[in-house]
Amino acid sequence: GENVEQHPSTLSVQEGDSAVIKCTYSDSASNYFPWYKQELGKRPQLIIDIRSNVGEKKDQRIAVTLNKTAKHFSLHITETQPEDSAVYFCAASIPGNQFYFGTGTSLTVIP
Amino acid sequence: NAGVMQNPRHLVRRRGQEARLRCSPMKGHSHVYWYRQLPEEGLKFMVYLQKENIIDESGMPKERFSAEFPKEGPSILRIQQVVRGDSAAYFCASSPLGEHEQFFGPGTRLTVL
Repeated sequence: GENVEQHPSTLSVQEGDSAVIKCTYSDSASNYFPWYKQELGKRPQLIIDIRSNVGEKKDQRIAVTLNKTAKHFSLHITETQPEDSAVYFCAASIPGNQFYFGTGTSLTVIP
Repeated sequence: NAGVMQNPRHLVRRRGQEARLRCSPMKGHSHVYWYRQLPEEGLKFMVYLQKENIIDESGMPKERFSAEFPKEGPSILRIQQVVRGDSAAYFCASSPLGEHEQFFGPGTRLTVL
């Protein structure tokens, strides 16, 4: 089955700096890669996703890149703000199937 | 359009009791997924259901756990004879037919005393 690895497990950045979180996957059949943000005690919320026919996608301060050949994808957050502090999870899936989640990255943005 | 609903939000059970967790998917969504999240860990897939049909239960423990998604009513995750190791947050997610995106409910936090 699919195996998703996520790094780093914790990340601290100064407010205004950029944050990058990286994930790798093992199953070349995976073609959908969402990113979720989870605040303490809350539900995971989809913040951005990318499909395998696209190399990069951007939504305001958040961007995701995908390298299908190397089987890795990354989340980039620019101009970080304290409210970006949360745990971020990457996932990989094939259509109509379960998500395989990474182990999460706890991001702290220091004011 | 209400989001994914789960109840109860918090559930306390003593060892050996049964826990029933309910999930109502978003309107128009026919697929339900259950995930378990242990404290400070990621989300682990348990089971994937469509109406009246279990599609994939490869993540479900073989004993004590069962799930259903009847024609009418919410999806139910049932844990019999709970043990302390079952304490976790249980999230369900729903998606529409043919779509990738999964939308998560608020979760049920199960505590086994």
